[in-house]
Amino acid sequence: EPEVTQTPSHQVTQMGQEVILRCVPISNHLYFYWYRQILGQKVEFLVSFYNNEISEKSEIFDDQFSVERPDGSNFTLKIRSTKLEDSAMYFCASGRWAGGTGELFFGEGSRLTVL
Amino acid sequence: GESVGLHLPTLSVQEGDNSIINCAYSNSASDYFIWYKQESGKGPQFIIDIRSNMDKRQGQRVTVLLNKTVKHLSLQIAATQPGDSAVYFCAEKGSGSARQLTFGSGTQLTVLP
Repeated sequence: EPEVTQTPSHQVTQMGQEVILRCVPISNHLYFYWYRQILGQKVEFLVSFYNNEISEKSEIFDDQFSVERPDGSNFTLKIRSTKLEDSAMYFCASGRWAGGTGELFFGEGSRLTVL
Repeated sequence: GESVGLHLPTLSVQEGDNSIINCAYSNSASDYFIWYKQESGKGPQFIIDIRSNMDKRQGQRVTVLLNKTVKHLSLQIAATQPGDSAVYFCAEKGSGSARQLTFGSGTQLTVLP
């Protein structure tokens, strides 16, 4: 069964450092997303990506965040200068259909701990 | 602002009983709803979805009911099993071009032996 894979599963970093989280979406999907979940809180939308550009982004996704699809398979989330409040589980998701409808497949997440 | 919320943070049921998890949403323009299951240490897993032009949709052991009048969504799980223990989130998508989902706070379902 196809799945979304994410690396690393856990990253610990010092405040102010750059972090890159990587995702390999399902191969025939066209729509890609990043969500995050602070411990014990709800899953929050960060950004959606289609046709090599950002479709939508939330207020959380400020200038410190960027996304990229550097090749045909990877989808990355970069945080330029991490803050303590960036500590969270980051989920990548992909879907086949427009508008966020239909099943979104989530990866198992990358836990980011900022010290 | 618009929000999606759950009535109860925790729910405990006996194995074999039916479970009902509720969700209230505030965006009357929402046209698509999904229930996700999240097991500890894993990402959200799609359970079932429903469009706003429907009142009910059934899957395998699960049923989603949508009451647009009171903006309420529920997930019914029949014959709850230990493997159903997880956090359940409802999520909604507004109408228009917005592609993101707005998730609710989650309900922890615990199945008792």
